[in-house]
Formats: sequence, structure tokens, C-alpha cells
Amino acid sequence: DTGVSQDPRHKITKRGQNVTFRCDPISEHNRLYWYRQTLGQGPEFLTYFQNEAQLEKSRLLSDRFSAERPKGSFSTLEIQRTEQGDSAMYLCASSLEGLRRGYEQYFGPGTRLTVT
Amino acid sequence: AQSVTQPDIHITVSEGASLELRCNYSYGATPYLFWYVQSPGQGLQLLLKYFSGDTLVQGIKGFEAEFKRSQSSFNLRKPSVHWSDAAEYFCAVGAQDSSYKLIFGSGTRLLVRP
Repeated sequence: DTGVSQDPRHKITKRGQNVTFRCDPISEHNRLYWYRQTLGQGPEFLTYFQNEAQLEKSRLLSDRFSAERPKGSFSTLEIQRTEQGDSAMYLCASSLEGLRRGYEQYFGPGTRLTVT
Repeated sequence: AQSVTQPDIHITVSEGASLELRCNYSYGATPYLFWYVQSPGQGLQLLLKYFSGDTLVQGIKGFEAEFKRSQSSFNLRKPSVHWSDAAEYFCAVGAQDSSYKLIFGSGTRLLVRP
């Protein structure tokens, strides 16, 4: 069990550029979640996948955000035309499916995005 | 809508002293409750969880939490704090739908005095 990994760990970009983050979940986990954490706040839910299907998107996820999980394994989160308000820590978590197991989410170290 | 409140932004305790971090939730039915810890540069680690049953829940690293329905609280406790416990602590409630997403409080930063 290598845990949840995220890449890159840090990203600095200029406003208007596109960025893409990657998350590799625990291999047997079929659920994958993306959260966003701004300074001084707790993580906020963005979206989640069950296998390759994206089942829910938060209203926080504007049209500039897109997430994929093409083969039900790793996932990518892309932000187009970044804005300074996108600066945050983007966290990925994975879990098994099921009432209790679904809540037991294992988090990656996060990708810290800074938009200048 | 479900929500979580952690009223203390910062707490400072001396090493060896006891600790209690407060968490209040808003939800009518029995909630699913969690405590996570986040150390600098690390992801969130699950300390303990409550689904049902015994209202006193034991977790990892010597932490425990007590669910009190009458007070809508799920406070985290530790009898003797170690310097390595300095971190940010988040209380969360599980959404009562098939997403199983977590709704987090804003966190409490624990500082430990030597």
C-alpha cells in the first residue's frame, strides 16, 4: 500500500495559464475525491468519481475546471485560464465503496497552486 | 444543510497536559463524524470515526472523542499531549447521501509548549 500520491506537489503559474494536476489513488479503491483547501479553512468538496464515472460536481467547480478518471485508476484535475482566486491546496482522496468504507477516505499530500 | 463548527482557531497547551478540541455539528439525524489531523506538508490522516453505537470512540495516537447528541458535539481529547501532536485538526461530518463526501470544519491549530 503506497498511499495516495499527487503530482506536482507545488505549482506556480501566471494568471490565465492552464494547469493540470494528477492523483494516483490506492490501487484497490474505486472512489476518488477532489477537495480544495484555502488558507485557514478546511477542505471543501469539489467532485468525486466511482470508477471512471464522475458522479457529482460541487458548485465550486466552475466551467474552467474539469476532472477526469479515464480508466478508473488515476485522475486529473485541469484548471483553464487560472485566476488568483484559484490559489489553494488541491487534495485528492480515495476510498472503497460502501456506507462506512466510503467515508474512510485516504488523502494525498496535496498540490499547492499559486497563481501570480 | 450539514455543517461543522470548530470554535477554536488556535489552542496552545503544554507538553504533558491534557487536550480537548471542540467540534459542533448541525444535522438532525445521527451524523457520521470524523476527526482528521494535518501536519505541515502532509495530507490529512484519519484519527477516529463515529458511525453508531458506543459514544466514546478510541482512535490512533492515543486520541479519543465523545459523541454527545444533546449538545451536537464530537469533541476530541487526549490525556497527555506530546510535542509531535502539534498540527492542524479538522472535524468532519459525512454527507448523508451516496456520495459519502466529507464536510469539514475550519480547523483548530494546536501548538505545544515544551
